[in-house]
Amino acid sequence: LAKTTQPISMDSYEGQEVNITCSHNNIATNDYITWYQQFPSQGPRFIIQGYKTKVTNEVASLFIPADRKSSTLSLPRVSLSDTAVYYCLVGGGPGSARQLTFGSGTQLTVLP
Amino acid sequence: DGGITQSPKYLFRKEGQNVTLSCEQNLNHDAMYWYRQDPGQGLRLIYYSQIVNDFQKGDIAEGYSVSREKKESFPLTVTSAQKNPTAFYLCASSPRQGASLEQYFGPGTRLTVT
Repeated sequence: LAKTTQPISMDSYEGQEVNITCSHNNIATNDYITWYQQFPSQGPRFIIQGYKTKVTNEVASLFIPADRKSSTLSLPRVSLSDTAVYYCLVGGGPGSARQLTFGSGTQLTVLP
Repeated sequence: DGGITQSPKYLFRKEGQNVTLSCEQNLNHDAMYWYRQDPGQGLRLIYYSQIVNDFQKGDIAEGYSVSREKKESFPLTVTSAQKNPTAFYLCASSPRQGASLEQYFGPGTRLTVT
């Protein structure tokens, strides 16, 4: 399984843009990159997924360089409610037997 | 109201007892998963099922058992053989097995064994 490395924690202030970078040097050709958000005592929630270049939705953007060995989750104008753990995962495409592996994630703390 | 339900939210058991955690989904998803989460840690995969009457071991299956007799149900039994059963257990589902697809998580069951 592709291993991911991301910072253990990050602090930010309300209204700032937050970028969380994840390294995945041994990503396979058919692996997708997926980010989840988890609040305490709740199940993770899907944020965004991409394969290459840039993906944007109403919540976040995901930047993936050409070599796909890293990815950056960008959260625009964070608020206190964005304080959570963010997980970066890489895994196989449709029909793949490879499973998602959740690392320890990045604890984002948004300060007033 | 579509989603995944897990019950109960909190569960207490004495050491040496088996306990079964419930997971039900009405999303018509083929694949279902069980994860365990310890304090300050990420999620670890216990078992997963791609279709009814079929399931595979995940990374930490020892001491656990599952069944998938119905598409919408995937109960997890924590047996007395599990050395450290106290944890937060999360059930998830996805339309079909594959990491490129979004997984939908239930609210979790916090199990405490004393």
